[in-house]
Amino acid sequence: GENVEQHPSTLSVQEGDSAVIKCTYSDSASNYFPWYKQELGKRPQLIIDIRSNVGEKKDQRIAVTLNKTAKHFSLHITETQPEDSAVYFCAAEGAGNMLTFGGGTRLMVKP
Amino acid sequence: EPEVTQTPSHQVTQMGQEVILRCVPISNHLYFYWYRQILGQKVEFLVSFYNNEISEKSEIFDDQFSVERPDGSNFTLKIRSTKLEDSAMYFCAITDTQYFGPGTRLTVL
Repeated sequence: GENVEQHPSTLSVQEGDSAVIKCTYSDSASNYFPWYKQELGKRPQLIIDIRSNVGEKKDQRIAVTLNKTAKHFSLHITETQPEDSAVYFCAAEGAGNMLTFGGGTRLMVKP
Repeated sequence: EPEVTQTPSHQVTQMGQEVILRCVPISNHLYFYWYRQILGQKVEFLVSFYNNEISEKSEIFDDQFSVERPDGSNFTLKIRSTKLEDSAMYFCAITDTQYFGPGTRLTVL
C-alpha cells in the first residue's frame, strides 16, 4: 500500500519568513495530493491540493510543488503569520479515493 | 467548501457497547469517507463509500465496523463492541476532494 513520509515533524520560523514542508510517497499510481491544516481540537482543513498533471499550484501565500518522477511534493508558505501556526498534513490518494496521510508537521510562527 | 455536520460531537461509552456516529452533508453527495485520528497522531483512513457501496476499506475497518446510508442523506459509522483503543476523533469527509466534517470525539471507558 501507499506510504507517505513527511518532514520535518516540527518547524519553527520567525514571522515573515518562509516555511517549507516536504513529503514523499511510494505508490506511483497516486495522482492527487492534498494538504490539510489542523488547528488544535479542530478538523483537518483542506488548504491546497495538486493533481499529477501539473507541477506547481499557487494560492496567495501558499504554493505546492509536485515531482512525480521523484515521488515527492512540497508545501511552501511565504510571509508566514502567527495564525499560520498549526499542524500541517500532506496526503496522497490511492485506490478508492483513499487518502494516506503523512505524520504531520507542527509549524510554529513566532511573532 | 461543502458543508457537513457530524453528530454527536462527543460520545462516551463503556467498553463492549455499540456506538453509531452520524455524518450529515448539507446537500447530496456521492462520495463519503470515514477517517479516525487518535490523539496526537496522524489521520488514518477507514473506509470510502461511493454511490451507496463501499469502494475501499483499510485494515482497521474490520468486522467490528460497518457503514450505512440509511435514508439517502445521513451516512453512519457503526462500531460494535467498542474497545479502549477505539477512542479517537472520527471524521467523515465528503466529495472527491474530501472536505472533512467537524468530527466526533469517541471516548471508550
